Amino acid sequence: QVQLQESGPGLVRPSETLSLTCTVSGGSISSYYWNWIRQPPGKGLEWIGYVYYTGTTYYNPSLKSRVTISVDTSKNQFSLKLTSVTAADTAVYYCARESSANGWLWFDPWGQGTLVTVSS
Amino acid sequence: DIQMTQSPSSLSASVGDRVTITCQASQDISYYLNWYQQKPGKAPKLLISDASNLKTGVPSRFSGSGSGTDFIFTISSLQPEDIATYYCQQYNSLPPTFGQGTKLEIK
Repeated sequence: QVQLQESGPGLVRPSETLSLTCTVSGGSISSYYWNWIRQPPGKGLEWIGYVYYTGTTYYNPSLKSRVTISVDTSKNQFSLKLTSVTAADTAVYYCARESSANGWLWFDPWGQGTLVTVSS
Repeated sequence: DIQMTQSPSSLSASVGDRVTITCQASQDISYYLNWYQQKPGKAPKLLISDASNLKTGVPSRFSGSGSGTDFIFTISSLQPEDIATYYCQQYNSLPPTFGQGTKLEIK
């Protein structure tokens, strides 16, 4: 079965760029939309954006000016870059696949999540 | 963006109780409503898609109903392992949005 695993630094300095990678195993990255979702400590879930395996992207308007999501099909990976981070960007970051059937859409599976703390 | 409002925000119930969580969308989302369960320190787990479609392997005590703007999530007989936070999520339009969550505790 498909599994996702996030990787990247757990600590980022304010004003710098947060960079994470999600590695997809057990299946191909082709023909799906791949998503980043985050959850500040003790709070709810916020969708960041997605990348299609062709490279097409869509970002949450609330973060659009700071977000870039890209895909590397040769490595079965996709990545997140978030620029000019502040303490408000401290969160557990999840990668997730968008799955569908008969036109219905949902997020499954998810990675285990990785905590990124923004602090000097 | 479509706003998703869950109630209650927290809920305390006894083992064996019937538990109901509601989710209201700020506009018509048809049946594009999913329910997730999140246990502490874990990623969310999909339980129900398209409002009422129970995913494979999910116990039948979980169910969902509704359409348009009003949705209900039910646990027919609460079990100790159901202690978690539950989220609704709409996927009728981008960006997908989540409810604020309902934290379920054992009384």
